[in-house]
Amino acid sequence: DAGITQSPRHKVTETGTPVTLRCHQTENHRYMYWYRQDPGHGLRLIHYSYGVKDTDKGEVSDGYSVSRSKTEDFLLTLESATSSQTSVYFCAISESGRTYEQYFGPGTRLTVT
Amino acid sequence: AQTVTQSQPEMSVQEAETVTLSCTYDTSESDYYLFWYKQPPSRQMILVIRQEAYKQQNATENRFSVNFQKAAKSFSLKISDSQLGDAAMYFCAYLQMNRDDKIIFGKGTRLHILP
Repeated sequence: DAGITQSPRHKVTETGTPVTLRCHQTENHRYMYWYRQDPGHGLRLIHYSYGVKDTDKGEVSDGYSVSRSKTEDFLLTLESATSSQTSVYFCAISESGRTYEQYFGPGTRLTVT
Repeated sequence: AQTVTQSQPEMSVQEAETVTLSCTYDTSESDYYLFWYKQPPSRQMILVIRQEAYKQQNATENRFSVNFQKAAKSFSLKISDSQLGDAAMYFCAYLQMNRDDKIIFGKGTRLHILP
């Protein structure tokens, strides 16, 4: 299994509070991704990173920001959480130019009340 | 923009039988990858099978095989000898090469295995 961890695994927070989710990898892969999974929507890309300090937006980036100061860590921040951001969040990694497979972390269930 | 469509939200199959999950996609590109991911109740996303668009031969992994029809933009997954452990959500996914490896997922098909 690819070495990807996410923390926390579960979190309940109140509307308006900031939240940061962490993704940590031990594979030294270049690409990292944040997805959210909601019923009826599959997985949708929030933000991704193609290198240290190199990030870009996905299809549902509004209300989210990311940072990557080290190869192994990719942080997702909800500056002011809203109930619509209640979801399961997945981090994924890949090493471009090989199999293009993405390896996924175990997910974080976030509930915004 | 590329899209991935899974027209079957749920399916059921008898244990030991064969089932086929459908997936169609829309793209104007010629170089891409297609995937099927499995998500069991544990929530972990697991790669089932991968197909490179330039390969005409259909990919096979043990009991899992695909029917890749490039002209029709169709990528179905066949599961043979279905087992209880195959019960999961299955996602079809498309990756455009050389575009930061971004994957587009379908909305998923929930597969039930009937004992």
